[in-house]
Amino acid sequence: DSGVTQTPKHLITATGQRVTLRCSPRSGDLSVYWYQQSLDQGLQFLIQYYNGEERAKGNILERFSAQQFPDLHSELNLSSLELGDSALYFCASSVDYNSPLHFGNGTRLTVT
Amino acid sequence: GENVEQHPSTLSVQEGDSAVIKCTYSDSASNYFPWYKQELGKGPQLIIDIRSNVGEKKDQRIAVTLNKTAKHFSLHITETQPEDSAVYFCAASPTGYSSASKIIFGSGTRLSIRP
Repeated sequence: DSGVTQTPKHLITATGQRVTLRCSPRSGDLSVYWYQQSLDQGLQFLIQYYNGEERAKGNILERFSAQQFPDLHSELNLSSLELGDSALYFCASSVDYNSPLHFGNGTRLTVT
Repeated sequence: GENVEQHPSTLSVQEGDSAVIKCTYSDSASNYFPWYKQELGKGPQLIIDIRSNVGEKKDQRIAVTLNKTAKHFSLHITETQPEDSAVYFCAASPTGYSSASKIIFGSGTRLSIRP
């Protein structure tokens, strides 16, 4: 068990809808990262937060947004969902920006 | 930017034999190379990592080697067991500010251990 908690485990929704994925990092970790894993794209970095502030952006669509709250949990918001957004979404955390990543077990999003 | 290539994409070995997974990277500034194991229904879990000032690192049955000149690194699993069956990802990144956000993952190797 990595100590990173993601909810929900599974999410099924329709095109055009909006969903929120939640992540609680390991105790003591200040940095949270979001990744998307699809069959043909591997693990793609989306965005990083450190102690509540956005630190780095990867290939995150404008329809997607995230935030990290004062208690350090993070939420990833996906809107105007398309079929191609179906994927596994992982959250990872680390003590700081130069430490190994620890991943949660992911949220499987299915858009129908 | 960094590009990490991983081979093979699938690997099947007899239980008790060794397995080797190879990765190459393109950015000479990369100096941190972690390996992750992803079991079915779970997230990637860090199993071993190596930094560029070290050529080899071992942890029980797993070892990683790094050749900075050739820009390639490998994962070696000896005496494979059924629980080693999983998808393995290599990765490369620079160290320093926001380095973890710059980690680039390989495409993964699905390792199957035959009984």
